[in-house]
Amino acid sequence: DGGITQSPKYLFRKEGQNVTLSCEQNLNHDAMYWYRQDPGQGLRLIYYSQIVNDFQKGDIAEGYSVSREKKESFPLTVTSAQKNPTAFYLCASSKQGRLTTNEKLFFGSGTQLSVL
Amino acid sequence: RKEVEQDPGPFNVPEGATVAFNCTYSNSASQSFFWYRQDCRKEPKLLMSVYSSGNEDGRFTAQLNRASQYISLLIRDSKLSDSATYLCVVISPGTYKYIFGTGTRLKVLA
Repeated sequence: DGGITQSPKYLFRKEGQNVTLSCEQNLNHDAMYWYRQDPGQGLRLIYYSQIVNDFQKGDIAEGYSVSREKKESFPLTVTSAQKNPTAFYLCASSKQGRLTTNEKLFFGSGTQLSVL
Repeated sequence: RKEVEQDPGPFNVPEGATVAFNCTYSNSASQSFFWYRQDCRKEPKLLMSVYSSGNEDGRFTAQLNRASQYISLLIRDSKLSDSATYLCVVISPGTYKYIFGTGTRLKVLA
C-alpha cells in the first residue's frame, strides 16, 4: 500500500535534547511538508520541500531543522532551541511541488512529542 | 484578520439532523478549497474538494460563495460516526502553501 509513514507515534524529549521525527513516503510525491498542531489550533507549517535537496522555512521554523536528501524521506529535527516543543507533528506530501488547483495533501499518522 | 476562519463549535446535533458549517477566507484570489476531517489525535483526511459550481458526495455537500468569500459544508442525516473536527483548507495563491482553519468540532448525539 502506498502512503506516508511517520515514526515514532509517541516521543519524549528531555531538556536540552535534540530529537528527530521520521517521515517516509512511497507515493512518489515531489513535495513534502511538516506541520505542527497544538490543541484548539489549526495546523501551522514548519518546513516544506518542493523537490529533493531543497527546502524552505514555513511560518514557524525557529528551533527546527530538516533535510531532503532522498525523495522518499523528510526527517524533522526538533532542536533544544525550540522551547515549547510539545505538540502533535504531522508530515504530509503532495504530488507536485508547485500547488496547482485542487492539488491534494496526504498526511502521515502523526507523532505526539512531549517534554519530560 | 486570519486568512481562514472557522467557528470552533462544538456543534452538538442529534442523529439524523442536518448540520452546516461555514468557513471564511480573506484572500479573494484563492482558487482551491478543501474540507478535511480529523478525528481526535489522528491525521486529517480529505473529505472533499470544493468546486465553484458546488459538489455533492453522498450525504455531504460543499459549496463556494466567491462574492462573500466563504465555503460551506452541509451534512445530511448525521451519523454518530460523523463526530469529528472538520478543517477548512485553502491553497494560498502564489505561495504554494495550504492554509488551515482551526476546525469546527461536530458531535452527533444518539
